[in-house]
Amino acid sequence: GAVVSQHPSWVICKSGTSVKIECRSLDFQATTMFWYRQFPKQSLMLMATSNEGSKATYEQGVEKDKFLINHASLTLSTLTVTSAHPEDSSFYICSARVGGQYNQPQHFGDGTRLSIL
Amino acid sequence: QKEVEQNSGPLSVPEGAIASLNCTYSDRVSQSFFWYRQYSGKSPELIMSIYSNGDKEDGRFTAQLNKASQYVSLLIRDSQPSDSATYLCAVKGGGATNKLIFGTGTLLAVQP
Repeated sequence: GAVVSQHPSWVICKSGTSVKIECRSLDFQATTMFWYRQFPKQSLMLMATSNEGSKATYEQGVEKDKFLINHASLTLSTLTVTSAHPEDSSFYICSARVGGQYNQPQHFGDGTRLSIL
Repeated sequence: QKEVEQNSGPLSVPEGAIASLNCTYSDRVSQSFFWYRQYSGKSPELIMSIYSNGDKEDGRFTAQLNKASQYVSLLIRDSQPSDSATYLCAVKGGGATNKLIFGTGTLLAVQP
């Protein structure tokens, strides 16, 4: 149980392109999903918390107009990197928490490796 | 600034030995603690969660929590080369917060 699917796994695109990443909870409903970014040899950095049916909560320093998050259903959250540039190249990982209790663990998707040329 | 600290390693142990991974945290009211394993180029995978002081065992893994010392550890018995990965300690603060605070991870290398 607690499977999180993330798509696509790899994206290579030109600078200026917008890229959408999907995160789905396959066998549970997730009112809250999380988006992380990880640069090589660094730990996970939380970008935003995605709440079903409401606006995402962004961490300090994360541009909400550049990283658009939509959580329109209990099983799907999307992250769109708008007008991506080479500095946005990174490993993007989503996670979801089973149930509504805050102390439940987060389960991670397989991640999306984004390369902007 | 709430922090979670881990020794970055690498921690090198021979196959069959016990690997001991340590983590300290600064938020005294933290309630939930998790260990994740991350293979190179992959996303984190949940290994253990622990909420109460003491030990929690799951197969070859034992998590230990000491809230008074703000310390959580992970022991891996009979270490295998396949255990070689980065181990991330994650802490959820007290109260109605969604966030997990991750340590920078400890790289474990199990030598055959």
